Amino acid sequence: EIVLTQSPGTLSLSPGERATLSCRASQTISVSNLAWYQQKPGQAPRLLIYAASSRATGIPDRFSGSGSGTDFTLTIDRLESEDFAVYYCQHYGGSPFTFGPGTKVDIK
Amino acid sequence: QVQLVESGGGVVQPGGSLRLSCAASGFTFSSYGMHWVRQAPGKGLEWVAFIRYDGGNKDYVDSVKGRFTISRDNSKKMLFLQMTSLRAEDTAVYYCAKGSHYFHSWGQGMLVTVSS
Repeated sequence: EIVLTQSPGTLSLSPGERATLSCRASQTISVSNLAWYQQKPGQAPRLLIYAASSRATGIPDRFSGSGSGTDFTLTIDRLESEDFAVYYCQHYGGSPFTFGPGTKVDIK
Repeated sequence: QVQLVESGGGVVQPGGSLRLSCAASGFTFSSYGMHWVRQAPGKGLEWVAFIRYDGGNKDYVDSVKGRFTISRDNSKKMLFLQMTSLRAEDTAVYYCAKGSHYFHSWGQGMLVTVSS
């Protein structure tokens, strides 16, 4: 089973700043099989990025994904108020479809 | 637009059973794999089960194998999760999600509480 670790656990930033979120896998995974989701309190998660760097439909271009092997990054340029949320990475290369524990981006 | 609406949640005693349903609309349901994902109160996301577009392949997280069964009715655009031998640790919001690999779209979630 692939285990995903996310860091930091919490990221405190101000609107307009850049957020850099890390996701590390316990073994090499294909870039085709890594996704990022955003979840706000009381809401369902929303797909942001799939295949490590492809933005889902309707996702602003201030969200970008990168990485390969075991290390992946979600970057949010110029944080807006609606971006403060919890972010999860996910591996979907095969069962089990594991999620990382999440990174909370909150307002400094 | 894609809509996924869960129903069937509630409070059940340990050892009891419950059946969740997910009504799909806005896309060709029979062309997509579907998943159930859960989230315990204040915790992260946990994938629970997957079913292939035609129902021909199913998979489960180890902690629910032998207790939960995923199924679908493509003619009615419905996804199901039959849960038996429920435990306190199964308490969570359960989401249905569209997609064979990553999860394109999610339902709003349905709370299942296992408590005596």
